This record gives sequence, structure tokens and C-alpha cells, in this order.
Amino acid sequence: QKEVEQNSGPLSVPEGAIASLNCTYSDRGSQSFFWYRQYSGKSPELIMFIYSNGDKEDGRFTAQLNKASQYVSLLIRDSQPSDSATYLCAPQDNYGQNFVFGPGTRLSVLP
Amino acid sequence: GAVVSQHPSWVICKSGTSVKIECRSLDFQATTMFWYRQFPKQSLMLMATSNEGSKATYEQGVEKDKFLINHASLTLSTLTVTSAHPEDSSFYICSAREDRYEQYFGPGTRLTVT
Repeated sequence: QKEVEQNSGPLSVPEGAIASLNCTYSDRGSQSFFWYRQYSGKSPELIMFIYSNGDKEDGRFTAQLNKASQYVSLLIRDSQPSDSATYLCAPQDNYGQNFVFGPGTRLSVLP
Repeated sequence: GAVVSQHPSWVICKSGTSVKIECRSLDFQATTMFWYRQFPKQSLMLMATSNEGSKATYEQGVEKDKFLINHASLTLSTLTVTSAHPEDSSFYICSAREDRYEQYFGPGTRLTVT
């Protein structure tokens, strides 16, 4: 059973702060890791993905991956109220076939 | 970026009727399309994976005779909910993938069965 765990939150941070979202996964065969943002009532939108250990930066977002610890995180710098959403972690299996979505972490950025 | 559309955006139907939802990739050819279902305050649950020209692969617990999936072309997949019941009311979301790894989601279809 492939499992993905995320803290459901809500995670509340003040505007301008760094938000840190964490995700652990059970499938050691996972190769690529995707972060999606989902606003209430909307479908997910891709933020970024990472497949190598270490950090990957894209604008205000930084994904961090540690395959040995089966841990992936997403940092959001200079958080804005518009970042308030649910963030879904999605490891992809080795065959590149499918994602297993985590339950998501609800982020609330307070103005 | 890649664009995926869904139609209709929302639909209300009576119990026992069938509903068809379309998913289209507008600016790329989708070799694989996925159908998800999401209940309120819950995460996405994969229902099935479909590759163009072949039968869909359903996840455990998803009735293939109830949720009919057709992936007739590289830009179109349809999900038909047959003999819908109130417990089928949910947010149905498709996603599409070209040859790269990332999936792009459609805007979703909210189904209400009365």
C-alpha cells in the first residue's frame, strides 16, 4: 500500500513569512515528486516538481527532496494571502505512470 | 502551459440517469488521461487511467461497468456515470499527460445527483 502523509493543517503563517510544507512517502520506488496547489472548489494546479536529492528553486517556491529519508518539502518565501490554499504532495512511481496524492496541507496566510 | 478542459462544469441529474463528462487536452496530445474523484474536504482519489486506443485501468473498488471511460483520441476522454445515485455526487476531475511526467488537470465537473 503506497502511502503519502501530510499534516492536514491548517498551517497559519503571517504575510511575508516562510511557509514550510512537509510530506513523507512510503514507496521507495518513487522517482519524481510533484507539488500541486488547490484552491477551494477548484482543481489542482502544478507548482513544481523535483526528482533529484537536494533543493530546487522556482521563484518564491523551493522544493526539497531527501530520498533516503523519504521526505519532500515545499517552502514558500514571502507568503501572500493569495497563497492560502491546500497543497498536495504527489510522488510518482518508477514507471512514470501514476501519482499517489497526499491528503494535502491547508495553508492560511494571514494579512 | 498545457490546457485541459472539461465539460460540463457542473451538472445536476436525477437518480437512475446517466451523465457523460468530457475531458479534452487543447494544446497537446495526451497519451494518458486520468480520472479522479474528490469528496468534500478529502483528497483526490484516482478512479482510472486510460491510454488512447486501449481499455481503461480501474483502481480497486471502482466499478468499471458503472464508470465507463472512453479514450477515443489523443485529445478526448469521456467518463460516463451510469445509473447515477446520490452517493455518486462528487467533484470529478480529469488530468492529461503528454510524454513528459507532469499531469495537467482540467477544471473539474461538479456532479449532483438528486
